[in-house]
Amino acid sequence: IAGITQAPTSQILAAGRRMTLRCTQDMRHNAMYWYRQDLGLGLRLIHYSNTAGTTGKGEVPDGYSVSRANTDDFPLTLASAVPSQTSVYFCASSGGEGTDTQYFGPGTRLTVL
Amino acid sequence: GQNIDQPTEMTATEGAIVQINCTYQTSGFNGLFWYQQHAGEAPTFLSYNVLDGLEEKGRFSSFLSRSKGYSYLLLKELQMKDSASYLCAVLDSNYQLIWGAGTKLIIKP
Repeated sequence: IAGITQAPTSQILAAGRRMTLRCTQDMRHNAMYWYRQDLGLGLRLIHYSNTAGTTGKGEVPDGYSVSRANTDDFPLTLASAVPSQTSVYFCASSGGEGTDTQYFGPGTRLTVL
Repeated sequence: GQNIDQPTEMTATEGAIVQINCTYQTSGFNGLFWYQQHAGEAPTFLSYNVLDGLEEKGRFSSFLSRSKGYSYLLLKELQMKDSASYLCAVLDSNYQLIWGAGTKLIIKP
């Protein structure tokens, strides 16, 4: 692994289903983030974690949950997917508490039908 | 509220120079970032400004005026591979990045 990886690359999901998007980094960065990117809108922060064991809500947290059991992994869970959660999801990490440059994973394209 | 404004789309010619502007109104300021994002790919870091002035990095330069809430990204000697979206983002008082919607730059031969 080099940098940040995300899985799956893309997914089509039926509404009401549960889904976990995976994110793993090997840079030993303290902070990790989940964003969604929709056409015509800027990246919007869903949840973040400044360090292992802590998480916080971003701009659009409703319908999503996260956990940070260790430094490397930061999964994002949609408990019951809805069509408005159709988006491209990016995971990112940075070395400090938000003050350093954020580095992005390749993204997950999610379609909820 | 917090707001980042940048043009939706710009067109330029290969070999030319283009300036992409970004204005911001945020709760606090701890730096401004520019990222490049090719279609279907992740954003990649280009530059970071926290002090007023110009930062030059090869063909790309970024300028910041904190008093005016203004930045620009200057791309020189444009190449076809520079066709991408350019994202402006400001680190606010809570050290959260607030993102603009991005400027799609189209390079024509």
